[in-house]
Amino acid sequence: GQNIDQPTEMTATEGAIVQINCTYQTSGFNGLFWYQQHAGEAPTFLSYNVLDGLEEKGRFSSFLSRSKGYSYLLLKELQMKDSASYLCAVKDSNYQLIWGAGTKLIIKP
Amino acid sequence: EAQVTQNPRYLITVTGKKLTVTCSQNMNHEYMSWYRQDPGLGLRQIYYSMNVEVTDKGDVPEGYKVSRKEKRNFPLILESPSPNQTSLYFCASSFGPDSSYEQYFGPGTRLTVT
Repeated sequence: GQNIDQPTEMTATEGAIVQINCTYQTSGFNGLFWYQQHAGEAPTFLSYNVLDGLEEKGRFSSFLSRSKGYSYLLLKELQMKDSASYLCAVKDSNYQLIWGAGTKLIIKP
Repeated sequence: EAQVTQNPRYLITVTGKKLTVTCSQNMNHEYMSWYRQDPGLGLRQIYYSMNVEVTDKGDVPEGYKVSRKEKRNFPLILESPSPNQTSLYFCASSFGPDSSYEQYFGPGTRLTVT
C-alpha cells in the first residue's frame, strides 16, 4: 500500500529552527509537496521537490532524497504565525496526490 | 482575484436530507478535486475531475456524487447524508494533474449530519 509518515506534533521556540520529516512509500514518484494549514483554514502551497536536493524559499527550505523516500521541511527564525499543521504529499505514478496526516507545529514564546 | 469558492461554509443537516456543496474556480483550471479531512486521518480524496464531463473516484467515494458540466464548477452531492459524513470538506483545483502543478484549495465546508 501507499503510505506517508510524518510526526503528529512538534514543539519549537520562537526564533529557533525546526525540521519536519516526511517518509513515503508510494507506487511511483512524480514530485513531493509541502503545504501549510492553519487551524480551520485551507491548506496553502509551500514547496515542491521532484529532484534530489534542497530548495530554499525565504525562511522555508525543503529537501528531498528519492533513494531514501525521505523529505524534510526546514523552518528558520520561527515566528508565532508559523504555528500550523504542515502537510506532506506525494504524487504517485498516476499523478494522484497521496497525503500524510500532517504535523502540528506548536511555537512557544 | 484568483480563487476557489465553496458554499455553504457551514452546514448542519439531518440524516437522509439531500444536500449539495458548490465549488467554483476562476482560474480556468482543468483539474478539480474534493477532499474530506478528519482528525488524525489527513486529507482523503473523494472524487476528482480531469476536465469537463470526466470524473473519477478517489479513495473514499461511497455516499457521494459529483458532476462536471462546466469547467469552473464541480459540485459535491450527498444524496442521503449519514452521521459518518460529518467532516470538513475541501474543494481544490489545479491546471492539471501533472507533476509540478500545486493545488489551490477553497476555504472549506464544515458539515455536521445529525
